Amino acid sequence: DGGITQSPKYLFRKEGQNVTLSCEQNLNHDAMYWYRQDPGQGLRLIYYSQIVNDFQKGDIAEGYSVSREKKESFPLTVTSAQKNPTAFYLCASSLHLRVIVVTGELFFGEGSRLTVL
Amino acid sequence: KNEVEQSPQNLTAQEGEFITINCSYSVGISALHWLQQHPGGGIVSLFMLSSGKKKHGRLIATINIQEKHSSLHITASHPRDSAVYICAVRPPSGAGSYQLTFGKGTKLSVIP
Repeated sequence: DGGITQSPKYLFRKEGQNVTLSCEQNLNHDAMYWYRQDPGQGLRLIYYSQIVNDFQKGDIAEGYSVSREKKESFPLTVTSAQKNPTAFYLCASSLHLRVIVVTGELFFGEGSRLTVL
Repeated sequence: KNEVEQSPQNLTAQEGEFITINCSYSVGISALHWLQQHPGGGIVSLFMLSSGKKKHGRLIATINIQEKHSSLHITASHPRDSAVYICAVRPPSGAGSYQLTFGKGTKLSVIP
């Protein structure tokens, strides 16, 4: 089945450690996104990528980094510089960046919950 | 920046009831999305609206662009409808028009 796979589902980290969240899609989508969700708040965009080897900062990129070396993969690294990393992280994809403008087709993974101890 | 407000924040209904969730926003948009977040955390897109009304099964979404308001209706609600429903808006066409602003969500619980 086509879809988006995020791993791990749960992750615990000690302060000062970098962690990487995996996002893989087999939908042949060009555009991929990372969102952060905190209790009582709406989703916020961290980074997005329109195409392989290209990515752009979203609203809350500080303390995060990404790479897009393959079309199907868009890993997110939460660095030690992120002051409040405990949150639920969602990866999403769309056929192209503009597709969500036309058809609204945005696909999400099941999310990864990161807790800093 | 658009302010997106959803009401109610929490909603409990008996199975079979007709449910309405509301979304209002402060600045003109090109489209509005309704999303469903199930208890496990994954999110599914339900609708994208730029005008009028859309229906899919027991779900109906309406939008009034002039009043900056949208509603999501669920007819004959069922416990499997229990989820968080999220409204998101897209700014007018142009640079950044793919960037969505999300509401905080409405948590729906349907009791058998």
